[in-house]
Amino acid sequence: NAGVTQTPKFQVLKTGQSMTLQCAQDMNHNSMYWYRQDPGMGLRLIYYSASEGTTDKGEVPNGYNVSRLNKREFSLRLESAAPSQTSVYFCASSPTTGGGQPQHFGDGTRLSIL
Amino acid sequence: GDSVTQMEGPVTLSEEAFLTINCTYTATGYPSLFWYVQYPGEGLQLLLKATKADDKGSNKGFEATYRKETTSFHLEKGSVQVSDSAVYFCAVSSGGSYIPTFGRGTSLIVHP
Repeated sequence: NAGVTQTPKFQVLKTGQSMTLQCAQDMNHNSMYWYRQDPGMGLRLIYYSASEGTTDKGEVPNGYNVSRLNKREFSLRLESAAPSQTSVYFCASSPTTGGGQPQHFGDGTRLSIL
Repeated sequence: GDSVTQMEGPVTLSEEAFLTINCTYTATGYPSLFWYVQYPGEGLQLLLKATKADDKGSNKGFEATYRKETTSFHLEKGSVQVSDSAVYFCAVSSGGSYIPTFGRGTSLIVHP
């Protein structure tokens, strides 16, 4: 069972570089999410996609863009990386955004920006 | 919006000790409540959940009861093991979007 797959697992960038974090799920889920995890801050929602064809901002969207490529894939792009974006990024999915439905998480992308 | 407050860690225990990790929440309506666990180098995994008042979620010896009157969902385990060492997150989802809000996480360290 692959579940939610994130690539790459690790990445080091220089300030100003761009990159795209990839996420794919094989559970036929409608909803997908991007979070960042920083020490002492818990998980903060960057963007989410309630269903294919829709995306919405979360708590901390500045500096990021997303694309829901199809039902399986949801990518996160950093157009001009900044040191403040050094973090661990998690992608998650759920059947829908309806109440009571847990999220399924990938193993994360550890991103360092120098 | 919704919010979750968890006790700060780390919580350090000896093997076979009793565990309580406190979680309180604020939310509108009738929220669903979750506990997730994160092992080193991995993503979060659902540990247990409860979707209505007085429900008890349980899994792998862990339990939590949805207390609407005290807006709490405390995590308990009667006898912890070294393998329970991880970070535990409480989460709440409610309202129109039902996007969950997570607490800051509580690190648990269990010594042999």
